[in-house]
Amino acid sequence: DTAVSQTPKYLVTQMGNDKSIKCEQNLGHDTMYWYKQDSKKFLKIMFSYNNKELIINETVPNRFSPKSPDKAHLNLHINSLELGDSAVYFCASSQEWRGDTDTQYFGPGTRLTVL
Amino acid sequence: AQKVTQAQTEISVVEKEDVTLDCVYETRDTTYYLFWYKQPPSGELVFLIRRNSFDEQNEISGRYSWNFQKSTSSFNFTITASQVVDSAVYFCALRVILTGGGNKLTFGTGTQLKVEL
Repeated sequence: DTAVSQTPKYLVTQMGNDKSIKCEQNLGHDTMYWYKQDSKKFLKIMFSYNNKELIINETVPNRFSPKSPDKAHLNLHINSLELGDSAVYFCASSQEWRGDTDTQYFGPGTRLTVL
Repeated sequence: AQKVTQAQTEISVVEKEDVTLDCVYETRDTTYYLFWYKQPPSGELVFLIRRNSFDEQNEISGRYSWNFQKSTSSFNFTITASQVVDSAVYFCALRVILTGGGNKLTFGTGTQLKVEL
């Protein structure tokens, strides 16, 4: 009965490769997010989708492309991976993005290592 | 500017001590929401509490309590009788509504709490 799940949990790859991280939530939430946590544990939002529509893109390089096939899924595709992309990527979801049901629940994270 | 400051980078305590984690925020919004999350060594982010700016009542949940003071823009978190399982990084966050729609959490830099026997 996992609420927000991500696959894979660990991803090790070479510079220049393309990779995807998948996220699924079974909470019936309308809004999903991607955050990046760097090596100093600083968390920063990357994207947010509401009902499959992109609503936030926080100046992320266009090598990163989120895709939401339905409101329960938000995948992250990364092209031409660079060393600086190494981080932990967290997916999150909330019932909505405003009002009293905006609490974000996070997935377990995907640790991406680019060699 | 919207900003969250957690000035304590790392705190070490001995089990059963009480410990307070500080959080100071900056926002121009009159309505805002504050959160605390816990990140244990296993890495996941666990939601602890959400507080809106109109509710300044302190909250207690078991050994956890939160002190929200608008006058000092602080939302501090106290663990009473700490246990080794409380060892984690604790993040304070401010919900920011963006003018184009959507919201994001602006996180502080986190406080690493180590509880030793």
